[in-house]
Amino acid sequence: SYELTQTPSVAVSPGQTARITCSGDSLPKQYAHWYQQRPGQAPILVIYKDTERPSGIPARFSGSSSGTTVTLTISEVQAEDEAVYYCQSSDPSHSYWVFGGGTELTVL
Amino acid sequence: QLVESGGGLVEPGGSLRLSCGATGFVFSELWMNWVRQAPGKGLEWVGRIKTEAEGAPTDYAAAVKGRFSISRDDSLNTTYLQMNNVKIEDAARYYCTISALWGQGTLVAVSS
Repeated sequence: SYELTQTPSVAVSPGQTARITCSGDSLPKQYAHWYQQRPGQAPILVIYKDTERPSGIPARFSGSSSGTTVTLTISEVQAEDEAVYYCQSSDPSHSYWVFGGGTELTVL
Repeated sequence: QLVESGGGLVEPGGSLRLSCGATGFVFSELWMNWVRQAPGKGLEWVGRIKTEAEGAPTDYAAAVKGRFSISRDDSLNTTYLQMNNVKIEDAARYYCTISALWGQGTLVAVSS
């Protein structure tokens, strides 16, 4: 079955830049999306189609793609950004969604 | 907005039907997904139903295929997740989502 691989945790100080990566063999052919999930809350879409930002999401959040890896970049990290971030894509046949295991962002 | 309901305690082997009501968008035009999250774990896609215009075909994760089924009633702006032969490992919070929008989820507990 198709898998997406994320680093389990990232830690940065306030004001620094956090980069969260997601790897998968089909990412060159399939869009990736990123969700933020704070403790006790439902996920929120922060980046879609690799690089697009939904309305209402701060410009500090950006996405990029290179080969089999997509990256979520959070500039000028704030305490409120502390959350688990999940990448999501589709299998090559477009039949089902796949989620990465999640990356816990800690703001020191 | 998406609002799930129907969660609760179910015995192993039992059945439960979850509902998800939608407001604020054209429900009939969108594919509806169900995603679950076991306590302390990550997100797991459960399944999806496409639009009635496409014949409302469904796809399911291997872990639930043959036990769970998804349906929709566009007249009520509602999608359903029918859970049959429930297993211990199905205990989770169940979300309906269109990716850009998620409900708050409904909790399913499995115990005898």
